[in-house]
Amino acid sequence: GNSVTQMEGPVTLSEEAFLTINCTYTATGYPSLFWYVQYPGEGLQLLLKATKADDKGSNKGFEATYRKETTSFHLEKGSVQVSDSAVYFCALRGYGQNFVFGPGTRLSVLP
Amino acid sequence: NAGVMQNPRHLVRRRGQEARLRCSPVKGHSHVYWYRQLPEEGLKFMVYLQKENIIDESGMPKERFSAEFPKEGPSILRIQQVVRGDSAAYFCASSPSRDREGKLFFGSGTQLSVL
Repeated sequence: GNSVTQMEGPVTLSEEAFLTINCTYTATGYPSLFWYVQYPGEGLQLLLKATKADDKGSNKGFEATYRKETTSFHLEKGSVQVSDSAVYFCALRGYGQNFVFGPGTRLSVLP
Repeated sequence: NAGVMQNPRHLVRRRGQEARLRCSPVKGHSHVYWYRQLPEEGLKFMVYLQKENIIDESGMPKERFSAEFPKEGPSILRIQQVVRGDSAAYFCASSPSRDREGKLFFGSGTQLSVL
């Protein structure tokens, strides 16, 4: 079955540091890939997505590129802010299938 | 446009009582998903419904748990005879379709506490 693996957290960074959160997946066919973010006390929000190989999703300074050859969708940001502190979930969805979420990675950004 | 509305936001029940969690999807969305999140853990899929039909309930315990999404009104997740282990955040999400590009819209969740 489909699955998503993420790097374990928590990740603690200083403000303006570079962020990478690794995500790899196992899936049949050509799924769409997503990053969701959950701020404290809230539900998940879509951060970015990519629907085919080599697509790059981007939003709010975050980027992730759909790499079919390495089955990866790593999340990056060049300069994190305290307000980026949240839990980040990598997810995939194949045609006619349910979403599959990774376990989440907690990010804490210190001033 | 209103997003996914869940209520109550917080629900406290004693062991053995029933818990009813409500979810109104985004207007026009006919696909609803329920997830459970335990502290410091990821989302666990419970059930997927499409108006009046349960499509996939593979993540929902066979006993005490049930879900519905009637033609009119919100989706309901019902937990009978709650136990302490049911304490968790329950999130509802909706989507307009099941195609692979359709994103999910999440509610703010219901925090269930079982005393």
